[in-house]
Amino acid sequence: AQKITQTQPGMFVQEKEAVTLDCTYDTSDPSYGLFWYKQPSSGEMIFLIYQGSYDQQNATEGRYSLNFQKARKSANLVISASQLGDSAMYFCAMREDTNSGYALNFGKGTSLLVTP
Amino acid sequence: NAGVTQTPKFQVLKTGQSMTLQCAQDMNHNSMYWYRQDPGMGLRLIYYSASEGTTDKGEVPNGYNVSRLNKREFSLRLESAAPSQTSVYFCASSLMRNTEAFFGQGTRLTVV
Repeated sequence: AQKITQTQPGMFVQEKEAVTLDCTYDTSDPSYGLFWYKQPSSGEMIFLIYQGSYDQQNATEGRYSLNFQKARKSANLVISASQLGDSAMYFCAMREDTNSGYALNFGKGTSLLVTP
Repeated sequence: NAGVTQTPKFQVLKTGQSMTLQCAQDMNHNSMYWYRQDPGMGLRLIYYSASEGTTDKGEVPNGYNVSRLNKREFSLRLESAAPSQTSVYFCASSLMRNTEAFFGQGTRLTVV
């Protein structure tokens, strides 16, 4: 079963506007971590932001913030003041503990296009 | 620092051929991962390794084997390639549970 769900295959936003990319997850483990990555058309994976399940405050990194709603099992990425260079695929990922260590599983991604 | 290095970057195989994708990291990371990326499917975990000598299956392990040769290296082997294994393969590594994974540049594999 898909543990990370990104329901928006594609999103458009105008330059300088804010945009929210949705991510919901499914786990029964009380300890987990949530990550967001960006993949530009060049293909590399770029880490953006991390939120631990026990973190009290929402994570922020520059123009990126994570809207973490634990009870709803959602970890939405908010990009403020969008720039043309933000056009890319965005992936949400969840780290879960396993018997042999920990696994990092990704959602299917959201394609973001920033328009002038 | 080179970070995570994958070789080769591109490969074309015939159905039934075997090959090994190599991955090495120089960041002294404990955990390493192999993913495949297909259009519309995101990154799917094939195998992962929490430490040297330990490997475990991810979401899509069928048709693949892995070896964690030492702390630096984690290889992915296709014993008998199939067209369904045409994909972009990414290797990644991470230091601890709450730190980000660093990715290699990917290997584009085509099986004809």
